[in-house]
Amino acid sequence: KAGVTQTPRYLIKTRGQQVTLSCSPISGHRSVSWYQQTPGQGLQFLFEYFSETQRNKGNFPGRFSGRQFSNSRSEMNVSTLELGDSALYLCASSLAGGNQETQYFGPGTRLLVL
Amino acid sequence: GESVGLHLPTLSVQEGDNSIINCAYSNSASDYFIWYKQESGKGPQFIIDIRSNMDKRQGQRVTVLLNKTVKHLSLQIAATQPGDSAVYFCAEISQAGTALIFGKGTTLSVSS
Repeated sequence: KAGVTQTPRYLIKTRGQQVTLSCSPISGHRSVSWYQQTPGQGLQFLFEYFSETQRNKGNFPGRFSGRQFSNSRSEMNVSTLELGDSALYLCASSLAGGNQETQYFGPGTRLLVL
Repeated sequence: GESVGLHLPTLSVQEGDNSIINCAYSNSASDYFIWYKQESGKGPQFIIDIRSNMDKRQGQRVTVLLNKTVKHLSLQIAATQPGDSAVYFCAEISQAGTALIFGKGTTLSVSS
């Protein structure tokens, strides 16, 4: 079974631009979560989608948004990019997002904001 | 508040040694814990998990111990190999049930 895939793998943007990242979960998984990883803050939860609905949200500004499609694929969008948004963005999927389910991660999208 | 932390940022061992990576958590209500391994340029890779109704779980060369009394989690790697060199994170599932809360990670370096 194919793992979680994320596209693109690398992105360079400038301040003020917006960016859209894509995630395809493991086949059959309906829950998709997004995390931001930086050297200073570590891995932090952004949001989780299940059945096209945002079910849980972390402590990030409204510039960070996401959505999920009927095939469980998910996208996240960051508008008005800031230098501090430079990070590795990770997507994880699980069957239904229950609190005793393993989340499996993709390779991430590395975003550099100049 | 909820937080998961690791005791040491780095751990250096010789090939063949046993490695022990520790983690302390603060939320006594958390009931599911996962260890992940992250190699350079890759996403976190699942190693092993444990539920709060257990105190020990074994996998291939890895063992996770959970001590709920002192809110402590550890990952033991037997016969550590150079391929085990990576950053190891413990994570807990929050009370909301969907968000993983990660510790800051321990970098394991294995020399041959």
